[in-house]
Amino acid sequence: KNEVEQSPQNLTAQEGEFITINCSYSVGISALHWLQQHPGGGIVSLFMLSSGKKKHGRLIATINIQEKHSSLHITASHPRDSAVYICAVRFMRGSQGNLIFGKGTKLSVKP
Amino acid sequence: NAGVTQTPKFRVLKTGQSMTLLCAQDMNHEYMYWYRQDPGMGLRLIHYSVGEGTTAKGEVPDGYNVSRLKKQNFLLGLESAAPSQTSVYFCASSLASGNTIYFGEGSWLTVV
Repeated sequence: KNEVEQSPQNLTAQEGEFITINCSYSVGISALHWLQQHPGGGIVSLFMLSSGKKKHGRLIATINIQEKHSSLHITASHPRDSAVYICAVRFMRGSQGNLIFGKGTKLSVKP
Repeated sequence: NAGVTQTPKFRVLKTGQSMTLLCAQDMNHEYMYWYRQDPGMGLRLIHYSVGEGTTAKGEVPDGYNVSRLKKQNFLLGLESAAPSQTSVYFCASSLASGNTIYFGEGSWLTVV
């Protein structure tokens, strides 16, 4: 079965802390997306990756294909990073090739 | 840059009423999607389209219909609304299936 699991569900951090959000999936994938959903509801794409590592500002996304696992790291966290972070996966087989979404990780960064 | 625009943003319907959600994108994307987001669950695909004039069922299509008469527009219809369709609806688009996906701001629908 094509499944995506995120951990933790909720995360509270102090400003400046290094944050890691994890995503695991069940079978082979062609791509993994990290998305950010702000309290107002809008969803923006942060990264799309199929191997290795990508970096944009204070955000770093890594993926380990063999272990079926990806991490999203936030360095020097700031209250404006407070949002729900969502992992979405495109499986190689099944799901009609469409994205399957995790339930999200709610991050709250306190000043 | 408008990107993906959804209307209306908020709507309250009575059980049995019908309505249409409109999604418009100005990026000349081939692929368009309608998702629903419910508490404690990941986004779930309702219907999608891989090009003008095409539509396909997603994971939770029952109770919804869609049309893609023009490349830039993707309409989601509820013929007879039910309380179970109370949700936040997101439209999205992408150039192709393996590309970055762009989302609208969401439409909050309550069925009473």
